[in-house]
Amino acid sequence: DAGVTQSPTHLIKTRGQQVTLRCSPKSGHDTVSWYQQALGQGPQFIFQYYEEEERQRGNFPDRFSGHQFPNYSSELNVNALLLGDSALYLCASSRDGRYEQYFGPGTRLTVT
Amino acid sequence: DQQVKQNSPSLSVQEGRISILNCDYTNSMFDYFLWYKKYPAEGPTFLISISSIKDKNEDGRFTVFLNKSAKHLSLHIVPSQPGDSAVYFCAASGRGTSYGKLTFGQGTILTVHP
Repeated sequence: DAGVTQSPTHLIKTRGQQVTLRCSPKSGHDTVSWYQQALGQGPQFIFQYYEEEERQRGNFPDRFSGHQFPNYSSELNVNALLLGDSALYLCASSRDGRYEQYFGPGTRLTVT
Repeated sequence: DQQVKQNSPSLSVQEGRISILNCDYTNSMFDYFLWYKKYPAEGPTFLISISSIKDKNEDGRFTVFLNKSAKHLSLHIVPSQPGDSAVYFCAASGRGTSYGKLTFGQGTILTVHP
């Protein structure tokens, strides 16, 4: 039973560029959440997708957007990258109605 | 505004002894609490959770205690093993604007010495 997978593992981008990160949820899960984890901090909630719609959003600017596909996989898009966007981006999946979320290994984004 | 706080950045314990990790929260809308363990270069791994209708939940070597009046929870690991060395995060979720999202503490680095 495959767990949550994310791609790519690492990414280096330049300020002002755009990036797309991808996530496949754990089998049987229909809800995907995205988190940003800065060094030495706990993960910060970006948003959650369910039934292909954004259901809940954290305190992140509109430069952060996402999408969920009919097979429940998801993408996180970040436009106009800033140096401060450098972080580990974590995807988590869950079953609707359940609090427990299961995390992927993350994508390490470096903005130079 | 840090709604979930882990005030101890690190904890060092001898193998075989008890590890106690603490967490405080401020948001009364939180009604479900979780602990995650994170190794370097991996995503957080779910360990154990507790609903606000309980004050204790046990799973093998791991026990979580919840004191709602104090808005405090703790994770006990007995006996501690070197493989338990990792960063531990507590997280909270709940109703209203907290529904569906996990709010994390800053983490505590646990080191278990052989």
